[in-house]
Amino acid sequence: GAVVSQHPSRVICKSGTSVKIECRSLDFQATTMFWYRQFPKQSLMLMATSNEGSKATYEQGVEKDKFLINHASLTLSTLTVTSAHPEDSSFYICSASGDRGTYEQYFGPGTRLTVT
Amino acid sequence: AQTVTQSQPEMSVQEAETVTLSCTYDTSESDYYLFWYKQPPSRQMILVIRQEAYKQQNATENRFSVNFQKAAKSFSLKISDSQLGDAAMYFCAYPASGTYKYIFGTGTRLKVLA
Repeated sequence: GAVVSQHPSRVICKSGTSVKIECRSLDFQATTMFWYRQFPKQSLMLMATSNEGSKATYEQGVEKDKFLINHASLTLSTLTVTSAHPEDSSFYICSASGDRGTYEQYFGPGTRLTVT
Repeated sequence: AQTVTQSQPEMSVQEAETVTLSCTYDTSESDYYLFWYKQPPSRQMILVIRQEAYKQQNATENRFSVNFQKAAKSFSLKISDSQLGDAAMYFCAYPASGTYKYIFGTGTRLKVLA
């Protein structure tokens, strides 16, 4: 099956610094990638949708200047949390879609971000 | 607004027994896909089963099957012969109209009792 990786799996950073999370589709070309945030015991909250070579589309309420998304190639998308604050601490999940026919998304294993 | 409702925040099932998780949704589309995903403690989202709305036949994947009622907009997941490894959060989802982004339900936490 299609595999999506995320790096790092865990990151701790100091308040005010920036952190980058990478999402890669390992064995298929991802026309669209999605970034989610998940709070404990809650569902996934979509932050943004990105298409290769285009600007990301952010969901309402998500600060695009704080959560920078770059989809530079058909296999790589990055999420950069700028000037991180403790309230940005969360579990971030990416997914990728390559099969336009089935609408299936393939999920990465997630990244736990802790801002101290 | 398009929504997905999972009315059971938590369910429990004895090992080897059968359990059904409910999901209802709201869409004006006639052709769409529906998904059940499992999120175990590792938090890796895993596709359990997929249903194509235009197909009358309910999807089945080994011990997992769905009861798809299109008119009622209901998409329940049945897990037969439950195993300890089935313990997880289960999310129902479908793509929002005209997009590839998912609308997720709030999830059902399934506990499997030995």
